[in-house]
Amino acid sequence: AQSVTQLDSQVPVFEEAPVELRCNYSSSVSVYLFWYVQYPNQGLQLLLKYLSGSTLVESINGFEAEFNKSQTSFHLRKPSVHISDTAEYFCAVSGTGEGNKLTFGTGTQLKVEL
Amino acid sequence: GAGVSQSPSNKVTEKGKDVELRCDPISGHTALYWYRQSLGQGLEFLIYFQGNSAPDKSGLPSDRFSAERTGGSVSTLTIQRTQQEDSAVYLCASTQGRGRNTIYFGEGSWLTVV
Repeated sequence: AQSVTQLDSQVPVFEEAPVELRCNYSSSVSVYLFWYVQYPNQGLQLLLKYLSGSTLVESINGFEAEFNKSQTSFHLRKPSVHISDTAEYFCAVSGTGEGNKLTFGTGTQLKVEL
Repeated sequence: GAGVSQSPSNKVTEKGKDVELRCDPISGHTALYWYRQSLGQGLEFLIYFQGNSAPDKSGLPSDRFSAERTGGSVSTLTIQRTQQEDSAVYLCASTQGRGRNTIYFGEGSWLTVV
């Protein structure tokens, strides 16, 4: 079984400032890692994912996350946030075996202020 | 349809009544999840269906909650004798079943128990 910890429930940040949303996971097997985003009044959607290969993955809107196996982390970063990045961000983990279910963290509310 | 469809989108029910929430997954997706999202809370896993395997019911909060998936497609989440603490958004999601695949969420069913 896997578990995910998102220590920060809320992260306020000013526009154009950098941000890091932390995610740590626990698993006894190899994992896939994901970040999902939920914009206000919208459903959840995939932001980016790590499956294999390069440990640094990027999204189309400037976010990136780095898989760190030794620290069991998958922190999400953006060097300069925009007001439109205000949303709730969920980290998730799945074992790599067939049929492994996806386990989510409790989410981090990112609030970008002017 | 192209996405995960849930109905009803909104439901107001009286305490003690039973409710049924329906989920139509994306065609061909073998795995289906139900999650609950309460105000200010993260995603709470409820139940996971994967192909013909026995469902993972480990997240159901009480025996008032049950779910079935007929013909490997449509799923119904039933809440019996609803309580006010059951008020939440119930999210359904589907995926092709492998951990590496993106999970697609429906818009959710808002349940309010009065």
